[in-house]
Amino acid sequence: KAGVTQTPRYLIKTRGQQVTLSCSPISGHRSVSWYQQTPGQGLQFLFEYFSETQRNKGNFPGRFSGRQFSNSRSEMNVSTLELGDSALYLCASTSSWGNYGYTFGSGTRLTVV
Amino acid sequence: AQKITQTQPGMFVQEKEAVTLDCTYDTSDQSYGLFWYKQPSSGEMIFLIYQGSYDEQNATEGRYSLNFQKARKSANLVISASQLGDSAMYFCAMREYNFNKFYFGSGTKLNVKP
Repeated sequence: KAGVTQTPRYLIKTRGQQVTLSCSPISGHRSVSWYQQTPGQGLQFLFEYFSETQRNKGNFPGRFSGRQFSNSRSEMNVSTLELGDSALYLCASTSSWGNYGYTFGSGTRLTVV
Repeated sequence: AQKITQTQPGMFVQEKEAVTLDCTYDTSDQSYGLFWYKQPSSGEMIFLIYQGSYDEQNATEGRYSLNFQKARKSANLVISASQLGDSAMYFCAMREYNFNKFYFGSGTKLNVKP
């Protein structure tokens, strides 16, 4: 079956702009999580969605938001971009209560200039 | 306290030798799972191996094995017969099933020398 698909793979934006990243989970997975990865901070949890509801949220400012659609696809939005938002954004999906971890997408590499 | 601790920021290993990557964890959840992921320079996180808290035997997947010591709360990854393609970042992670939380360690960068 198809894996987790993230689009776009690469993105360059200017400070102050906003950006939307997309994630399509593995078919049947209803939980989608987002992570930000930077060299200095490592992997940081952004939020998790399950059945269109945000279930968990990390410690990020309100500029970072997300949503999940009825087909489990998820989007992440960052408004008023800052240079420090440059990072690899990873999306992961998992089955509800399965004994496995997350399956990750290839990520979106965002560069803010 | 850190939920997942990986004390080796970087390691070198000679090709064809075995290497152990350390991971300790902290949880009060009785039901949890431990995972190892590999992240090559391309960025994708690749699932390697899983160990459930109730599993009595150590997990193995090809050249990967997980040395699970529950009392010590450690879940070390052993890679046998290292290959050049094993050079990557390796992350230890834990899922707490009752608390519905997922944690990552800071990672270990493995370099395999020819």
